[in-house]
Amino acid sequence: QVRLVESGGGLVKPGGSLRLSCAASGFTLSDYYMSWIRQAPGKGLEWVSYSSSTNSHTNYADSVKGRFTISRDNAKNSLYLQMNSLRAEDTAMYFCTRDTAIAVSGDWGQGTLVTVSS
Amino acid sequence: QSALTQPPSASGSPGQSVTISCTGTSSDVGGYNYVSWYQQHPGKGPKLMIYEVSKRPSGVPDRFSGSKSGNTASLTVSGLQAEDEADYYCSSYAGNNNERVFGGGTKLTVL
Repeated sequence: QVRLVESGGGLVKPGGSLRLSCAASGFTLSDYYMSWIRQAPGKGLEWVSYSSSTNSHTNYADSVKGRFTISRDNAKNSLYLQMNSLRAEDTAMYFCTRDTAIAVSGDWGQGTLVTVSS
Repeated sequence: QSALTQPPSASGSPGQSVTISCTGTSSDVGGYNYVSWYQQHPGKGPKLMIYEVSKRPSGVPDRFSGSKSGNTASLTVSGLQAEDEADYYCSSYAGNNNERVFGGGTKLTVL
């Protein structure tokens, strides 16, 4: 069955960097678009970024554009999110999702928590 | 990338029906038939309930249905059950290279 396991979250100071990873199994990563979606504590969902099947097309929410970079290694069945110049407002649970249709996150990981605080 | 508008709360008694609205603009909800709905129980990751306005993924009960009129999409839960109590989020394709926008979420309470 489909499994998505995020890792790499943690506590980081404002201005710092983190790299999130998502290990995918149960399907062929290169067949699917993938997305990162985040949820600040007690808040709603926010789309962060998407990656086309070969990462030839990507896009980002305005709130992270220029600071975050999505990438993937299909041979390693892994999706990544490089987060630079982190701000307090980036504090959230970050979910890796498999896009099963246009703008549809059909499968979700359990999330990894990123806390940006001094 | 403005958020879609959902009511913060909704409620109904077991067996009743409840409808949750999701209002956007012609640039998202009204412009495409790519509205989806997610259910999230406390402490859990979201689960896809409806996609492309009214399609149900395998395993989702047919008590859940979706529709759209103009810039407003709706999720209806019929025959409410205790396990339906959760947060529900709508989402829409917003064009411009696969941008996506979410609603603020609706907390559904089963009385």
